[in-house]
Amino acid sequence: KAGVTQTPRYLIKTRGQQVTLSCSPISGHRSVSWYQQTPGQGLQFLFEYFSETQRNKGNFPGRFSGRQFSNSRSEMNVSTLELGDSALYLCASSLKGRGQETQYFGPGTRLLVL
Amino acid sequence: GQQLNQSPQSMFIQEGEDVSMNCTSSSIFNTWLWYKQDPGEGPVLLIALYKAGELTSNGRLTAQFGITRKDSFLNISASIPSDVGIYFCAGQGSRDDKIIFGKGTRLHILP
Repeated sequence: KAGVTQTPRYLIKTRGQQVTLSCSPISGHRSVSWYQQTPGQGLQFLFEYFSETQRNKGNFPGRFSGRQFSNSRSEMNVSTLELGDSALYLCASSLKGRGQETQYFGPGTRLLVL
Repeated sequence: GQQLNQSPQSMFIQEGEDVSMNCTSSSIFNTWLWYKQDPGEGPVLLIALYKAGELTSNGRLTAQFGITRKDSFLNISASIPSDVGIYFCAGQGSRDDKIIFGKGTRLHILP
């Protein structure tokens, strides 16, 4: 069974640009969560999608948005990039995102904003 | 908001030594999770705890869910070189809550 895949793996953008990151969950998994990881703040929850609906949201500005498609693949978008958005963006999938389920992480997309 | 305090931030140990790290919170959690992250990879779940007082092992790893539901610890016995990495604790309140992560413990093993 293939694991969680994220594309691209690395990305360099400049301030003010926008970026779209993609996550393909494990086959059969319907819940996808996104996290931002930085050395200073650690792993911070961005949002969770289940069946194409945002089910939970972290404390990030509206520049961060996401969506999920009918095949459970998810994208997240960051508009008007700032230097502080440089981070490793991780997505994780689980069957339903409920209760005692294991979340499987992808390798992440490393974003550098110049 | 909810926060997890994970300690120590980093550890330098000799191969073969035992390791202990812990997480505390001012909030109650119903689930505690321990992950390991290797360079260039996403975190991998090591142990999941769902009941206060629960003690669970996974090979050389043992984790406990504190009785107060506000803390958890992870022990690694007889460390080996492949144990090097960053260990994260994570907690979840109710099943609908987002998962909160600690800032990690970076484990170094000296030759």
